[in-house]
Amino acid sequence: AQSVTQLGSHVSVSEGALVLLRCNYSSSVPPYLFWYVQYPNQGLQLLLKYTTGATLVKGINGFEAEFKKSETSFHLTKPSAHMSDAAEYFCALPTGGSQGNLIFGKGTKLSVKP
Amino acid sequence: GAVVSQHPSRVICKSGTSVKIECRSLDFQATTMFWYRQFPKQSLMLMATSNEGSKATYEQGVEKDKFLINHASLTLSTLTVTSAHPEDSSFYICSASTGQYYGYTFGSGTRLTVV
Repeated sequence: AQSVTQLGSHVSVSEGALVLLRCNYSSSVPPYLFWYVQYPNQGLQLLLKYTTGATLVKGINGFEAEFKKSETSFHLTKPSAHMSDAAEYFCALPTGGSQGNLIFGKGTKLSVKP
Repeated sequence: GAVVSQHPSRVICKSGTSVKIECRSLDFQATTMFWYRQFPKQSLMLMATSNEGSKATYEQGVEKDKFLINHASLTLSTLTVTSAHPEDSSFYICSASTGQYYGYTFGSGTRLTVV
């Protein structure tokens, strides 16, 4: 069965510091992987996604993630945190092909200290 | 880009009444719509998948008669919470498959509070 595990329900960083949010997956087929951000009482916004090709994926707002098959990981990073990055982040992978639903990790809340 | 408009954003209703949540795809045809439920500080859990013109497929444990889903057109899917009770209070989010390769877009969510 496919699954997504996010390590750390809460990550706190100082403004300007490196952001690292961890995601590991389990999949019997080559996975496609997504990172979403959710602000309070809002829907999900796509940060980036890995489908095929380059394993280092660049997304919006300065975020990027690297797909590492050997480590079954897809960690999200940003070199310098900004106060506006404070939000909930979800890693996800689709089931049942390109029209299937997404299954989500439990989420990681990112806090940014001034 | 593909946009899904979800309404209402917040609703408070009395116990025993029904509430309808609408999701409209504004600039694309949503053949498939997913409905998720999110409890406070938790992840999204899939409730059901609806395809235009056919009955929705519900996940195990989701009451079909309580959560009625209609997907009568390629641009509109609705979720009706019938005879709502306080335990139905939650954040409900719809998501549509855009038809692009692994493309998904999400509504802005509906905060339902049953009093």
